Amino acid sequence: AQTVTQSQPEMSVQEAETVTLSCTYDTSESDYYLFWYKQPPSRQMILVIRQEAYKQQNATENRFSVNFQKAAKSFSLKISDSQLGDAAMYFCAYRSKSNTGNQFYFGTGTSLTVIP
Amino acid sequence: DAGVIQSPRHEVTEMGQEVTLRCKPISGHNSLFWYRQTMMRGLELLIYFNNNVPIDDSGMPEDRFSAKMPNASFSTLKIQPSEPRDSAVYFCASSSGLAYSTDTQYFGPGTRLTVL
Repeated sequence: AQTVTQSQPEMSVQEAETVTLSCTYDTSESDYYLFWYKQPPSRQMILVIRQEAYKQQNATENRFSVNFQKAAKSFSLKISDSQLGDAAMYFCAYRSKSNTGNQFYFGTGTSLTVIP
Repeated sequence: DAGVIQSPRHEVTEMGQEVTLRCKPISGHNSLFWYRQTMMRGLELLIYFNNNVPIDDSGMPEDRFSAKMPNASFSTLKIQPSEPRDSAVYFCASSSGLAYSTDTQYFGPGTRLTVL
């Protein structure tokens, strides 16, 4: 089974600065999807960004971008110009592209604090 | 679109009582997922359905837990009898479930369950 590892339980960043959250995964598949979800105190899970493994170009969504290193099985999230509203728990997730199922595998999360 | 709808948002019950959590997926989505989130164990997949059929229920903790999806627009997760260790936030999520699709899972707001 695939595993997703987030080695940073907690991170903090000064408002307007940049922070990078780490994620590594283990898989024997060559094509798959990777996601970052945000969970604010409201508990709602919100999709931040997604990446298809066959695409070499790193995904970008406004202030959020990823550094996808397929050979290293690394998928980090960079948040630029951090805002107070970015404070949340962030989860990295993996999804297979196979026909056998569409289950997601989640990491244990990184709690991000934004300091005013 | 209203998104994934879960009810109730909060549930407080006493040990031994039956608890039923409800979920309405996004219209047109044919995969539905039930997750449990606790501080100790993080986000755990309990069960998921594809086209109303349970595909993988290996995450269901024990026989006290059961899930049904009688039609494409409704699912229930039942705990009978409930125990204090079942206290958690339970999320329902849905996706289009298509293979080779970039469609992601969309999460509901969650049900916070407290068993006294």
